[in-house]
Amino acid sequence: EAQVTQNPRYLITVTGKKLTVTCSQNMNHEYMSWYRQDPGLGLRQIYYSMNVEVTDKGDVPEGYKVSRKEKRNFPLILESPSPNQTSLYFCASSLRSPTEAFFGQGTRLTVV
Amino acid sequence: GQNIDQPTEMTATEGAIVQINCTYQTSGFNGLFWYQQHAGEAPTFLSYNVLDGLEEKGRFSSFLSRSKGYSYLLLKELQMKDSASYLCAVVMFSGGYNKLIFGAGTRLAVHP
Repeated sequence: EAQVTQNPRYLITVTGKKLTVTCSQNMNHEYMSWYRQDPGLGLRQIYYSMNVEVTDKGDVPEGYKVSRKEKRNFPLILESPSPNQTSLYFCASSLRSPTEAFFGQGTRLTVV
Repeated sequence: GQNIDQPTEMTATEGAIVQINCTYQTSGFNGLFWYQQHAGEAPTFLSYNVLDGLEEKGRFSSFLSRSKGYSYLLLKELQMKDSASYLCAVVMFSGGYNKLIFGAGTRLAVHP
């Protein structure tokens, strides 16, 4: 089944404790991206990747890192999480841009 | 800069027709997507318009006017399961890459 898989689905952590949210797609898509979704603000792009080893900042990259060492995986790293990074995070992939994006099921992160 | 506007909330009656509008101001316009998102779930693709005109797909249709910076999503024969948020997303070509920018979404409530 074609899908984008994110883990974990839910995470509660403390300020400053490094964490990684994984994202994997099995559709051989070139384009992957991370979004955060906050009430009233919609989906905002954090980082995106056009292909392996090609990444760039989105609209809200501060406090996040990504890597794209292989085509299927695009992890999101929070080196030192802070409470303002409490949000719902979505990973998405598409064959290329602009084509239909497939979203993962989301990761609800709470930083206390 | 870029700006995408859509109504925050709408209500409609089961069996009726509803039109959700989206206006945008952006440079490098390269298409517009509509996504559906049920509460707590991932967005799912509904439509993509890049040329002016109406695209029909079953009960859902999407219209685009590039000169007016305007799109709408038309939902016919509304069903209770259509209660969801509807996200307008504009593709902006900048710096050699396409970037997807989302509006804040329109929350649609369908009542009997």
